[in-house]
Amino acid sequence: KAGVTQTPRYLIKTRGQQVTLSCSPISGHRSVSWYQQTPGQGLQFLFEYFSETQRNKGNFPGRFSGRQFSNSRSEMNVSTLELGDSALYLCASSLVSAQDGYTFGSGTRLTVV
Amino acid sequence: GQQVMQIPQYQHVQEGEDFTTYCNSSTTLSNIQWYKQRPGGHPVFLIQLVKSGEVKKQKRLTFQFGEAKKNSSLHITATQTTDVGTYFCAVFASGGSYIPTFGRGTSLIVHP
Repeated sequence: KAGVTQTPRYLIKTRGQQVTLSCSPISGHRSVSWYQQTPGQGLQFLFEYFSETQRNKGNFPGRFSGRQFSNSRSEMNVSTLELGDSALYLCASSLVSAQDGYTFGSGTRLTVV
Repeated sequence: GQQVMQIPQYQHVQEGEDFTTYCNSSTTLSNIQWYKQRPGGHPVFLIQLVKSGEVKKQKRLTFQFGEAKKNSSLHITATQTTDVGTYFCAVFASGGSYIPTFGRGTSLIVHP
């Protein structure tokens, strides 16, 4: 079966711009979570969507937002980019919740210059 | 908040040697998951432990959940170069937590 698909794989943006990342979960998986991975902070939870609703949210500023569509596909948006937003953004798909185990996408490598 | 510590941060071994990484929580856990991330890759789910004292094996990998459900270990017997990567634990606090807290990971480097 197809895995979790994230697009784009790489992005270079300038400070102050905004960016939208996309994630298509495994077919049948209804929960989509987003993580930020950096060498300094490790894997940090951004938010989780289930049935088009944000079910859980991490400790990130309001510049980070997301949504989920009726087909479970999800997008996350970062506005007013800062240099510190440079990171690998990972989408994690699970059947109902993280308790089922995550299947991660390959990630989007965002570089802010 | 949930505190989880993984030790060691890095481990260099010669191919064929054993390797162990430990995951320690400040609070009692309901369950724990382990993931492996190869260099340049993404985390891949390995296993989930739920019961106190549980031991699970996957070929050369042995996973253990502590009796008090506050710690866990991953042991690899006779490492191979294919074992290279970072091993993360992801812990769920007891009391119905649905979002895990990831440890910082242990990076395993295997020298041929």
